[in-house]
Amino acid sequence: TQLLEQSPQFLSIQEGENLTVYCNSSSVFSSLQWYRQEPGEGPVLLVTVVTGGEVKKLKRLTFQFGDARKDSSLHITAAQPGDTGLYLCAGAQAAGNKLTFGGGTRVLVKP
Amino acid sequence: KAGVTQTPRYLIKTRGQQVTLSCSPISGHRSVSWYQQTPGQGLQFLFEYFSETQRNKGNFPGRFSGRQFSNSRSEMNVSTLELGDSALYLCASSPIGLAGAYNEQFFGPGTRLTVL
Repeated sequence: TQLLEQSPQFLSIQEGENLTVYCNSSSVFSSLQWYRQEPGEGPVLLVTVVTGGEVKKLKRLTFQFGDARKDSSLHITAAQPGDTGLYLCAGAQAAGNKLTFGGGTRVLVKP
Repeated sequence: KAGVTQTPRYLIKTRGQQVTLSCSPISGHRSVSWYQQTPGQGLQFLFEYFSETQRNKGNFPGRFSGRQFSNSRSEMNVSTLELGDSALYLCASSPIGLAGAYNEQFFGPGTRLTVL
């Protein structure tokens, strides 16, 4: 069974602070995706990382894929209230489109 | 390009009933996957369809079934509903139908099913 563990489960910070969310597994994934989900809505894809050691930046968000493609992190610089949401990592293996999701990290950015 | 659409958005059923949920993928996407999201178990994969064939299946009982039509639209059916089936059911479409590394999936808003 492939498991993706996210930490922390909940994060509450003040506007302007930085935060990092971690996603770890004992399995190797061919790609890893990060999503943000608002209450009552579907997850929205933020980024896909596919190469070990890859770093991608999306404005104030930085995503990193571990060298062994088993772990990933999401770093938000100078968080804003609009960054509030449930952040989910999801790994895919080469066979088909089955995604294994982490348990999610609920982020609350207070103004 | 229109996103993934799911109907209905909300549904209330009673135990023992059955339900059918519908999903229209992004135009040109041929793979459709279904997920169940609950507070306790998080997001769990139900099944994936590609070219009208089920290609992958998660660990759910046979009460959960699905199908895909020639226009890539998909439906999922849950028979003999149980209280524990209350969840947000999400559909995701992907442009990649073949096994590969770039399995980007785009989710619809979900159908909120409540079983009383």
